[in-house]
Amino acid sequence: DAEITQSPRHKITETGRQVTLACHQTWNHNNMFWYRQDLGHGLRLIHYSYGVQDTNKGEVSDGYSVSRSNTEDLPLTLESAASSQTSVYFCASSPEPGPYEQYFGPGTRLTVT
Amino acid sequence: RKEVEQDPGPFNVPEGATVAFNCTYSNSASQSFFWYRQDCRKEPKLLMSVYSSGNEDGRFTAQLNRASQYISLLIRDSKLSDSATYLCVVNTRNSNSGYALNFGKGTSLLVTP
Repeated sequence: DAEITQSPRHKITETGRQVTLACHQTWNHNNMFWYRQDLGHGLRLIHYSYGVQDTNKGEVSDGYSVSRSNTEDLPLTLESAASSQTSVYFCASSPEPGPYEQYFGPGTRLTVT
Repeated sequence: RKEVEQDPGPFNVPEGATVAFNCTYSNSASQSFFWYRQDCRKEPKLLMSVYSSGNEDGRFTAQLNRASQYISLLIRDSKLSDSATYLCVVNTRNSNSGYALNFGKGTSLLVTP
């Protein structure tokens, strides 16, 4: 069955380290998204991509970057991890550009100490 | 004003009860609307899309009032398994000629025996 996976599921890292979170989907969806979820804020968009070589900044993009070299993967990199980036990160995808629903991966719980 | 506003609850209801959640959105140009369900520490999962004419899926009924910018979700005959957080989600066109999901912070439901 087609799916969307994230790895690692849990990670603890130190302040200042570079961290990359992986997102892989087998639906062949063009659109992929990264969100973070924190208490009191709900889900907030970090970066998104509408296809290979396309990336765009979301609401809370500072300190994060993404690259899209193929349809299946959108890795999220924290350039220099900060304690404020301790959060749960969700990757999502949708099939076409447009007002469609998105499907979420299981999430990565990141702790920056 | 927040893009999407929901009563956070919690709503504590007995099994078999009917419960309704409401949501308002600020952008009149929003194009599509959804309810997602999120269980503790899990990813959001699409519960149902919301159409102008209203739509029903088993025990769940969703309504949209574009004039009032208001969305509702009605759950009949509540089950213990309905306990979760319900996210109101609005899809709006963004400045990159794409679409972005805006999430409410969620309404917490606890169904008790």
